[in-house]
Amino acid sequence: GIQVEQSPPDLILQEGANSTLRCNFSDSVNNLQWFHQNPWGQLINLFYIPSGTKQNGRLSATTVATERYSLLYISSSQTTDSGVYFCAVGISGTYKYIFGTGTRLKVLA
Amino acid sequence: KAGVTQTPRYLIKTRGQQVTLSCSPISGHRSVSWYQQTPGQGLQFLFEYFSETQRNKGNFPGRFSGRQFSNSRSEMNVSTLELGDSALYLCASSLDDRERSYEQYFGPGTRLTVT
Repeated sequence: GIQVEQSPPDLILQEGANSTLRCNFSDSVNNLQWFHQNPWGQLINLFYIPSGTKQNGRLSATTVATERYSLLYISSSQTTDSGVYFCAVGISGTYKYIFGTGTRLKVLA
Repeated sequence: KAGVTQTPRYLIKTRGQQVTLSCSPISGHRSVSWYQQTPGQGLQFLFEYFSETQRNKGNFPGRFSGRQFSNSRSEMNVSTLELGDSALYLCASSLDDRERSYEQYFGPGTRLTVT
C-alpha cells in the first residue's frame, strides 16, 4: 500500500524561528491535507492542497504531486504552534485518506 | 455552521463488552469517515460512508463495523472489546462535491479506554 513519510519526526524551535516540514508519498494521490493536532486531540485543518502553493498568514504549503511530496512552511513560529503536524493523502480511485506519522513540533519561548 | 460532533467524548468499557460511537457531520456533508488513533499505530483509516453505503474499508477485524443514516449521521460499533482497542476514535466529514471533493473536517474525537 501507499507509504506516507513525514520528516523530521521531532522539531524544537525557538520562538520566532522558521521551519519546513516535509511529507513524501509513494504513489499518486488525488487529495492532500495538512492538519495540526492540538494537545486535546482535535485535528485542525491547515491546508487542502492536492497541488500548487497556498498561503495563510504565517503558514504556507506547496505540493508537487508529480514528484510525490508536499512541504509545510511555518514562519515566525509562536508557542501556540506547538503540537503534532500531520499530512494525509487521499488515494486515487478510493475514498480514504492515509496519514503520515506526524512531526512533533515544540516552540520554546 | 456547526462543526462535526461526536458523542460521547469519553468512554470507559470492560474487555468483552461492545460500544457504539456516534458522529454528526457538518450540515450538508454527505461523506463520513472514521479513524482510530493510537500511540503505536498512529492514525488509521477504519471506513468511509456516503449516502448510507460503505465505499471503503480499512484493514481492521470484523469486530469493527459502522453504518450511516439517511441524515448522514454515522455510528461505529466495536464488539467484544479488547485492551488494544483503547484509542482516540475520530470522525471526519466531507462535502464530496466536484469542487472540493474530499477535504475532511474532523470532530473532537471519542477517547475510549478498555479495562
